[in-house]
Amino acid sequence: DGGITQSPKYLFRKEGQNVTLSCEQNLNHDAMYWYRQDPGQGLRLIYYSQIVNDFQKGDIAEGYSVSREKKESFPLTVTSAQKNPTAFYLCASSPFAGETQYFGPGTRLLVL
Amino acid sequence: AQSVTQPDIHITVSEGASLELRCNYSYGATPYLFWYVQSPGQGLQLLLKYFSGDTLVQGIKGFEAEFKRSQSSFNLRKPSVHWSDAAEYFCAVGAGGGNKLTFGTGTQLKVEL
Repeated sequence: DGGITQSPKYLFRKEGQNVTLSCEQNLNHDAMYWYRQDPGQGLRLIYYSQIVNDFQKGDIAEGYSVSREKKESFPLTVTSAQKNPTAFYLCASSPFAGETQYFGPGTRLLVL
Repeated sequence: AQSVTQPDIHITVSEGASLELRCNYSYGATPYLFWYVQSPGQGLQLLLKYFSGDTLVQGIKGFEAEFKRSQSSFNLRKPSVHWSDAAEYFCAVGAGGGNKLTFGTGTQLKVEL
């Protein structure tokens, strides 16, 4: 089955810890995206990547980092600099930049 | 800058009744418009999209939406709601050829049996 997978479903972070959220797609899409969702605020773009080895900051990139070493993978690291990381994180991909985005099932990050 | 407004935070309808969810956008050129649906704790599923052409677009699950340029609106409709339609609905506008999708804050739909 083609699709987007995110793992883990739930992730717990301790103070001062970096954590990495996984996003994998087997749709052969060029572009991938990370969004953060908070209640009542819709989705906000963290980072996006149009092609391998290239990525750009979105609206709320501070405290986050990404890499795009492979076409199918776009991991997101939530660093200790992100002071309010508790949220639902959604990964998406599209055939190319500007085309329809398709979403993964999400990862919920909680702070211990 | 582009923006999307979904004026209704919560809507409750009876099963079998018709539904209209409102979406207003702000964008300088012809926008790309989307409606997504999200069940609790899940990702977003695309319902329908408008890029160009016929202003009335059909989507999955019996939903449709109409693009009205004069009103900067892209309202979502369904003639008869089913209990399984209870979810949160997001409207989004894209810059067409760009990367940025801007989402509204969502409308939570409750269906009364």
